[in-house]
Amino acid sequence: EAEVAQSPRYKITEKSQAVAFWCDPISGHATLYWYRQILGQGPELLVQFQDESVVDDSQLPKDRFSAERLKGVDSTLKIQPAELGDSAMYLCASRPGSQNTEAFFGQGTRLTVV
Amino acid sequence: QKEVEQDPGPLSVPEGAIVSLNCTYSNSAFQYFMWYRQYSRKGPELLMYTYSSGNKEDGRFTAQVDKSSKYISLFIRDSQPSDSATYLCASRMDSSYKLIFGSGTRLLVRP
Repeated sequence: EAEVAQSPRYKITEKSQAVAFWCDPISGHATLYWYRQILGQGPELLVQFQDESVVDDSQLPKDRFSAERLKGVDSTLKIQPAELGDSAMYLCASRPGSQNTEAFFGQGTRLTVV
Repeated sequence: QKEVEQDPGPLSVPEGAIVSLNCTYSNSAFQYFMWYRQYSRKGPELLMYTYSSGNKEDGRFTAQVDKSSKYISLFIRDSQPSDSATYLCASRMDSSYKLIFGSGTRLLVRP
């Protein structure tokens, strides 16, 4: 069964260091999302791509976060420098661009900033 | 006020019970309503989605949307210990694929 792949599954980093997460969506899915989920809360959208273009990054803290999807397939989310408050689960999701269906999520990357 | 509100629980029920999980929302433009199940340390898994008002059934699960009261429900019949998870409701507008999530309700089904 096709799934959204994310790596790493877990990451511990020190405050002020750089960290990067990778996502490979389901093949053929044009729309890719990065969500952040703080413990005990629901996921919140950070950035949404349609192919290689950013559709919505209004909630992305652009002073420290960046996201790219250069060839419209896999995507990288970077944080530099990491802060203690960035500790959370970072979830990638994808959906087909043309079908009326909802998003499928990966297993997430759990980030701990110490 | 959050656009989608959900009681965090936890909700503890005995095996075999009927479970009712609920959300309210404030944005009248929401047209799509989803329920995701999330096991500990895993990503959310799509259970069901509905468009506008009405009911949708899938096995032991029934999703219900009442747009007049802005109320979303998920019913689980014959609940099993394997149903123990956090249930997230989510909504979106017709013109956007941005999902707005509730905070999740933690469900525990006791054997």
